[in-house]
Amino acid sequence: QLQLQESGPGLVKPSETLSLTCTVSGDSISSSSYYWGWIRQPPGKGLEWIGNIYYTGRTYYNPSLKSRVTIAIDTSKNQFSLKLSSVTAADTAVYYCASRRGIGYSSVGIDYWGQGTLVTVSS
Amino acid sequence: QSVLTQPPSVSGAPGQRVTISCTGASSNIGAGYDVHWYQQLPGTAPKLLISGNTNRPSGVPDRFSGSKSGTSASLAITGLQAEDEADYYCQSSDSSLSGSEVFGTGTKVTVL
Repeated sequence: QLQLQESGPGLVKPSETLSLTCTVSGDSISSSSYYWGWIRQPPGKGLEWIGNIYYTGRTYYNPSLKSRVTIAIDTSKNQFSLKLSSVTAADTAVYYCASRRGIGYSSVGIDYWGQGTLVTVSS
Repeated sequence: QSVLTQPPSVSGAPGQRVTISCTGASSNIGAGYDVHWYQQLPGTAPKLLISGNTNRPSGVPDRFSGSKSGTSASLAITGLQAEDEADYYCQSSDSSLSGSEVFGTGTKVTVL
C-alpha cells in the first residue's frame, strides 16, 4: 500500500518560487509501475493537473503551467518534488502529490493521493 | 480552464438514484481516453471511485457505477446515502493538450 506525504512551506511571497516535496513509502519510487505527479485545488474550486514524472526522469507538464513548473525525482530519498516559479495569488491552493499506474491511453486513474498541503501566496 | 463539463450540483433524497454527466470532446473522451471518477469528501483528498469508465476499485460500493458513450460519460449513484454527500470529479486525458490529464468542473451531490 503506497503512502504519499507532502511537505514544504505553507507561505510563499509573490514572484518567488514554490517548492514542495512528496515522500513515498510502501514501494520504491524507482518502480516502473507508477507515474508520480502533482495536482492542485484552489480554495473552493476544482482540481487542476500540474504534471507527472516517471522514474526515468521523463516529465509531462500542463501546457498552461509548463513555463513555470519543474518536477524532479530523487531516488536516493524516495521522493519527488515540485517547483513553481514566479508565483502569484492565483497559485494559492492545496497541492496534492499522487501516483498513477499509467497515463494517456494506459491510464487507470489516480489511485494514491497525499493528504494535501495548503500553500498561500502572500506578502 | 477545465475541458470536461459537469453540472455544478445534483441532489436527491435518501434511497433515490442520481446521475452526474461529464461532457467532453473529440480530443479527450471522444478520442477513446478512459474516464475516471473521484469522490472528494469535505476537507479530504479525492478518492478514486470508478476506474476505466466502469470499474470499481476494491472497497467501492456497487451503488456507484460508471458509463461512457461518445464524447460523454456518466456516474450513477443508486440507493443514495447520507455519506455520499460530497464533490465528484471526472478525469480523462486530452490529445490537444499533449496528452495532459484533465479534470471535470466538479459536481456537488447533496442528500436531501
